[in-house]
Amino acid sequence: DAKTTQPNSMESNEEEPVHLPCNHSTISGTDYIHWYRQLPSQGPEYVIHGLTSNVNNRMASLAIAEDRKSSTLILHRATLRDAAVYYCILIHSGGSNYKLTFGKGTLLTVNP
Amino acid sequence: NAGVMQNPRHLVRRRGQEARLRCSPMKGHSHVYWYRQLPEEGLKFMVYLQKENIIDESGMPKERFSAEFPKEGPSILRIQQVVRGDSAAYFCASSRQGSGSGNTIYFGEGSWLTVV
Repeated sequence: DAKTTQPNSMESNEEEPVHLPCNHSTISGTDYIHWYRQLPSQGPEYVIHGLTSNVNNRMASLAIAEDRKSSTLILHRATLRDAAVYYCILIHSGGSNYKLTFGKGTLLTVNP
Repeated sequence: NAGVMQNPRHLVRRRGQEARLRCSPMKGHSHVYWYRQLPEEGLKFMVYLQKENIIDESGMPKERFSAEFPKEGPSILRIQQVVRGDSAAYFCASSRQGSGSGNTIYFGEGSWLTVV
């Protein structure tokens, strides 16, 4: 399975934008890029996903590099409730793509 | 808009007892998954079920653990003769499809098992 690399931790101030990077240099053409986050003592929460084009939803934006070897999750205005571990996960289209591989993720700290 | 419902949220068992964790998938979802998160570790896939069928149990420990998803009622993860090493957070997840383009999996809030 293609792997992802994320920084261990990042810090942001409240109401500022946050850019969370993810490298996935061995991504295959049929791998979707998914982002989940896990708040303390809760289950992972789906954030956003994309294949090739940039995506926006009410929670965040996903910017995907043209060569798809990296992507960035963008939180436009961080709030204290965005403090969580963010996971970048590749999900293959087809096959056993329910076996999500959660790495260590990026621990986002949001300062008031 | 009910999400994936798990209960109990917290469960304490003595060594040797049985633990039963329940999961109701999101409305319209027929695919259920169980994941386990040991302390200070990432989530690991355990088992994938559809109604009355186990599709993939490659992540389940070979002994003491079993899972079911009956025709009626919630999915159950059962751990017999619990040991301290079973202490973990157990997350249930569900999806509309079992695979396919951009399949999105939604997680419950987890059941925290503590074995004393």
